[in-house]
Formats: sequence, C-alpha cells, structure tokens
Amino acid sequence: AQKITQTQPGMFVQEKEAVTLDCTYDTSDPSYGLFWYKQPSSGEMIFLIYQGSYDQQNATEGRYSLNFQKARKSANLVISASQLGDSAMYFCALCRIYNQGGKLIFGQGTELSVKP
Amino acid sequence: DSGVTQTPKHLITATGQRVTLRCSPRSGDLSVYWYQQSLDQGLQFLIQYYNGEERAKGNILERFSAQQFPDLHSELNLSSLELGDSALYFCASSVEEGDRFPTDTQYFGPGTRLTVL
Repeated sequence: AQKITQTQPGMFVQEKEAVTLDCTYDTSDPSYGLFWYKQPSSGEMIFLIYQGSYDQQNATEGRYSLNFQKARKSANLVISASQLGDSAMYFCALCRIYNQGGKLIFGQGTELSVKP
Repeated sequence: DSGVTQTPKHLITATGQRVTLRCSPRSGDLSVYWYQQSLDQGLQFLIQYYNGEERAKGNILERFSAQQFPDLHSELNLSSLELGDSALYFCASSVEEGDRFPTDTQYFGPGTRLTVL
C-alpha cells in the first residue's frame, strides 16, 4: 500500500534560520511524484514544490528545496531563511503515475512555528 | 489565490440532511478532485472527474456523490449527514488527468467547512 509518513507533528524554528521537515514514503511503483503543500491557519492549501521520481536534480522553488533521496524513500522539505509567515501546517503528498487518476495520498502533516 | 473557487465557505446543518458543495476549477483545467480533511482521518481523497467523466474513486461513502458538468464545474452531494461528516471539504483542479509525467500540479480551492449538528 502507498503511504506517506511525516514523523514530526510539530516543530519550532527561529526566524531567519533554515528548517527541514521530514517526509518518507512507501510505494512499489517506479513512477511517482511527490508534492509539498502549506496550510496556514486560514485553511487554504498552497502548493510549494514538486519532485518527480525520475528527476535527477533536487527541486527548488525560491526559499523551498526538496532533499530527495530515492534509495531511502525520503523527500524532505528544506525552508531557508524562515519567516514568520512560514508558520503553518505542511503536508507531503504522493501521486502514483500511470495509475488511473491523479489522486494525492497525504501524510499527517507537520506544524511549523517560526519564533521571532 | 489559486483560481479554484468553492461555495459556500461555511455550511452548518443538522444530521440527516442533504447538502451540495460547489466547485469551479481554474480556467483551462479539466480535472476536478474532491478531498475531505478531518481531525481523525486527515486529508483523504474522495473522487476525481476528468472532462465530465469519473476518473478515480477513493474512500467516498455511498451517501456521497459527485458530478462534473459540461462547463467543468463540479458538485459534491452529501446526504443523510452524520456528525462524523463534519470536516473541511476541498476541491482541487489540474490541467490533465494528473497521473502522467510531467505530473500536473493540483491547485486547491479555499475549502468548504461543513458542520453537522
């Protein structure tokens, strides 16, 4: 069965420091995609970054980067230079490719608090 | 703003009632997905429509149904509501079917918060 595990229910980081949010996944599919979404207290889900299973390089989007270690089945999100507005829930999600639809399988999320 | 709209934003109703949640995808997107977010189950995929046809089904209860109309907007119907149906219901959209490389990004609407009393 496909599964996403986020082992850190909550994390604190000092403003302007970098933080790593962990995500491990379980799938036997050779082709898949990994996503990170941010959910602030207002409730909306905001797309942050995507990594394909065949991508040779780690994905980056501004202050967000993805530390993709395929052999370890991990896709950790790194946020550099944390800002107060980064305080939110962060979800890692898996999409199975060539598998009848693009449903996302989500982890339980990590609540990040940025301290001034 | 993702470009995905959902109405209503909040919905309070009683057990046994029926409600309809509405979603308009981003312009040009053909796929619509419905997700339920609750405290005990987390974020769960319910159902996907692609260009009017059902594409994938998840853990959707028989009391729930959905459809996608010719103008691509979608509705999620929840009937015989129970207390446990209280949740945040998200609609997301993507350009294509979502399971091909390069993978489509799903953009989420603001959600409809359903409270069943």
